[in-house]
Amino acid sequence: AQSVTQLDSQVPVFEEAPVELRCNYSSSVSVYLFWYVQYPNQGLQLLLKYLSGSTLVKGINGFEAEFNKSQTSFHLRKPSVHISDTAEYFCAVSRPNQGGKLIFGQGTELSVKP
Amino acid sequence: NAGVTQTPKFQVLKTGQSMTLQCAQDMNHNSMYWYRQDPGMGLRLIYYSASEGTTDKGEVPNGYNVSRLNKREFSLRLESAAPSQTSVYFCASSATTGTAANQPQHFGDGTRLSIL
Repeated sequence: AQSVTQLDSQVPVFEEAPVELRCNYSSSVSVYLFWYVQYPNQGLQLLLKYLSGSTLVKGINGFEAEFNKSQTSFHLRKPSVHISDTAEYFCAVSRPNQGGKLIFGQGTELSVKP
Repeated sequence: NAGVTQTPKFQVLKTGQSMTLQCAQDMNHNSMYWYRQDPGMGLRLIYYSASEGTTDKGEVPNGYNVSRLNKREFSLRLESAAPSQTSVYFCASSATTGTAANQPQHFGDGTRLSIL
């Protein structure tokens, strides 16, 4: 069975500082990896995805993530955060031949302070 | 650009009551999903439908039923609501077909359900 662990439940950071949100997954087969963002009282929006190829993927709003197969990690980074990045972030995986079902991590609440 | 529309947005029920959460998408997607979101637990899949006319259980199906009414609509029914079903429910859709699992999911804004 596969699982997703987000290593930090809350990450406070000052505006314009860099941030890394950590995600590890466990799976014995190849997976597809996603990061979603949820703003208050809204649904989830796709930030970026890794399907294959280059291990560094760029997404919307200046975010990027690096797939590390040997460490089974997919950490999300942004070099300089804004107040508007305050939200909850979810890492998720899916497997081929599984109907597109997503397994989500527990979420990381990013709080950007002025 | 409606995307995925969920109704209602809020609902309060008494234990034992029944209700149906509605979901419709206008993106001509094949696959649709129902999740519940609880604090500290992320989103957990309740049921999904890989195509019109098919439905399958997810991680937490007990106490729920679903209907894929047509390609656009996928409803979630609570037959006898229990306080443990208090949650935020999200519907999602994707262009996933057959064995392809690499299509992102598009989410509605959620239904906030409280059961007293």
